[in-house]
Amino acid sequence: NSKVIQTPRYLVKGQGQKAKMRCIPEKGHPVVFWYQQNKNNEFKFLINFQNQEVLQQIDMTEKRFSAECPSNSPCSLEIQSSEAGDSALYLCASSLPGVDTGQLYFGEGSKLTVL
Amino acid sequence: AQKVTQTQTSISVVEKTTVTMDCVYETRDSSYFLFWYKQTASGEIVFLIRQDSYKKENATVGHYSLNFQKPKSSIGLIITATQIEDSAVYFCAMRETGNSAGNKLTFGIGTRVLVRP
Repeated sequence: NSKVIQTPRYLVKGQGQKAKMRCIPEKGHPVVFWYQQNKNNEFKFLINFQNQEVLQQIDMTEKRFSAECPSNSPCSLEIQSSEAGDSALYLCASSLPGVDTGQLYFGEGSKLTVL
Repeated sequence: AQKVTQTQTSISVVEKTTVTMDCVYETRDSSYFLFWYKQTASGEIVFLIRQDSYKKENATVGHYSLNFQKPKSSIGLIITATQIEDSAVYFCAMRETGNSAGNKLTFGIGTRVLVRP
């Protein structure tokens, strides 16, 4: 069973609405990733954090998405104004810091449908 | 840029037989890490097995093993004695170590495996 907890499992939004997803990483994992998985199974990296600091993010994330990982609170990913193309499974994953730290641990995802 | 390619869209096998999945990758890094994950019907993504690029020996975990051919940039997954519950989508992923890559994973598009009775 996943030890990375994502909520909600499903959300349905109209175009232009905000969509917010939350993630509690595995205990002791300071590095958090957000990926978008589309219906063709393609994974798109969105952003990653180490503790509260952003490590990397793509252009799309900078413009329409906002994400944070505050201390002592769940991480979150928010889409400011949802578009139909944002419909996807949003996956949160966590890991230990550094490159030689093995695998990412994934949550079950939040499936967003934008009508 | 790093790239991971899985050319097999789907594979169907009979229970208790062996299934082999292909994966090739592109990287400029001399050191990198390769992973296989599976995604179940519920969407859960489960880590299966890992190969570090500097290790020559193929990794093995339970009934999962890897066929690592570094000169060909290839990392195949072999599942022996398949079970019905092995039916899933299998993803190959790579993690580079260069500064520009951070420590994120790059995924292939997956191979759907159906294990039938």
